[in-house]
Amino acid sequence: DIQMTQSPSSLSASVGDRVTITCRASQSISTYLNWYQQKPGKAPKFLIQAASTVQSGVPSRFSGSGSGTDFTLTITSLQPEDFATYYCQQSYRTPPTFGQGTKVEIK
Amino acid sequence: QVQLQESGPGLVKPSQTLSLTCTVSGGSIRSGGYYWSWIRQHPGKGLEWIGNIHYSGSTYYNPSLKSRLTISVDTSKNQFSLRLSSVTVADTAVYYCARIEGSGWFFDYWGQGTLVTVSS
Repeated sequence: DIQMTQSPSSLSASVGDRVTITCRASQSISTYLNWYQQKPGKAPKFLIQAASTVQSGVPSRFSGSGSGTDFTLTITSLQPEDFATYYCQQSYRTPPTFGQGTKVEIK
Repeated sequence: QVQLQESGPGLVKPSQTLSLTCTVSGGSIRSGGYYWSWIRQHPGKGLEWIGNIHYSGSTYYNPSLKSRLTISVDTSKNQFSLRLSSVTVADTAVYYCARIEGSGWFFDYWGQGTLVTVSS
């Protein structure tokens, strides 16, 4: 299985901060990388596909980049509703696997 | 807008079979280009893909669960189901159903999730 490792596991940030989350794959996955946001007690919400394509309805402050093994999710100007856990997921090979998550907390 | 809703017992005894159903609304489970999936999340942990089914009946299972797993589809009811046999406390988790977009293999719509506890 392809292992996905996110860093950091958690971070504290303030409203208005720029936040960057990193996801690393155990082998090259081209751009077969997706991002999700999960709030406590809720299902994950799909944010970004193919490393950088932001889904319709997702605020423009969310962006993704990367290819191969290293990827980033960036949130410019963090908003109160963005405090959540973020997961990356590779869709290069079955089984699809997720990172362990990055919890974004209020400083 | 596609919606998914899980249903089934919230408590299962060890060694028994966990059974859940996902009802799809707002779209047909026979829509081309999609697969229908189960994912679980152990308490306070990350996400684990369980398996997929296509409306044609073809399945993909996580190798770690394959020997205990059956996923089936009922297109007449717009539902798909999960059966996990010989459960242990390690199978206690929130179980989600989700739709997979077939070309990108991303999970674009999710159910709200249902907690299944394995306990005697």
